[in-house]
Amino acid sequence: QVTLKESGPVLVKPTETLTLTCTVSGFSLTNVRMGVSWIRQPPGKALEWLAHIFSNDEKSYSTSLNSRLTISKDTSKSQVVLTMTNMDPVDTATYYCARIEIVSYRIDYWGQGTLVTVSS
Amino acid sequence: DIQMTQSPSSLSASVGDRVTITCRASQRISSYLNWYQQKPGKAPKLLIYAASSLQSGVPSRFSGSGSGTDFTLTISSLQPEDLATYYCQQTYSTPWTFGQGTKVEIK
Repeated sequence: QVTLKESGPVLVKPTETLTLTCTVSGFSLTNVRMGVSWIRQPPGKALEWLAHIFSNDEKSYSTSLNSRLTISKDTSKSQVVLTMTNMDPVDTATYYCARIEIVSYRIDYWGQGTLVTVSS
Repeated sequence: DIQMTQSPSSLSASVGDRVTITCRASQRISSYLNWYQQKPGKAPKLLIYAASSLQSGVPSRFSGSGSGTDFTLTISSLQPEDLATYYCQQTYSTPWTFGQGTKVEIK
């Protein structure tokens, strides 16, 4: 059974760095057919793709957020970590991690999401 | 970046109606187009991948079509549980991008 679970702070201050962890089970981060993506959704707004990482450590980032994002993985812990620097209130959103199935480039499993609020 | 434009932004239909949502890409994306359903307060769920392939476990009333720049999600007979927002997403090239969503309400 595939599951993904996001963890991290619920509240961060402006200018701080956000670190989110996605812990996966039911598949391996070394599986060449799989990857993990981060997606966010501000309250009442649309989904926004942020980044993804594949088993070969290939990474891709949102164009608008590229300078602020870093994605990495720890295969021994089955974890994918996303850091976002210089947080701002407009970054308040639910952050999801999700599994990518590479053969068809589909996001087939999603975590429940974690709401991060940016406020002083 | 490839821009994805959905229409309409919202619609209201009756149970049993046929519902069609369109998604247009700003450049050709072959068939690298997925559709997701997001119910209120829940994570999105994959409905259709590769433009027209039905994800396992998804009811057959959902179907997808199109290639190139123009795509369609069809619900053949709308059910009360289909109340949700629907998103298209291109995975042809990074950065992957989503449409702005279509909110489906039941009359």
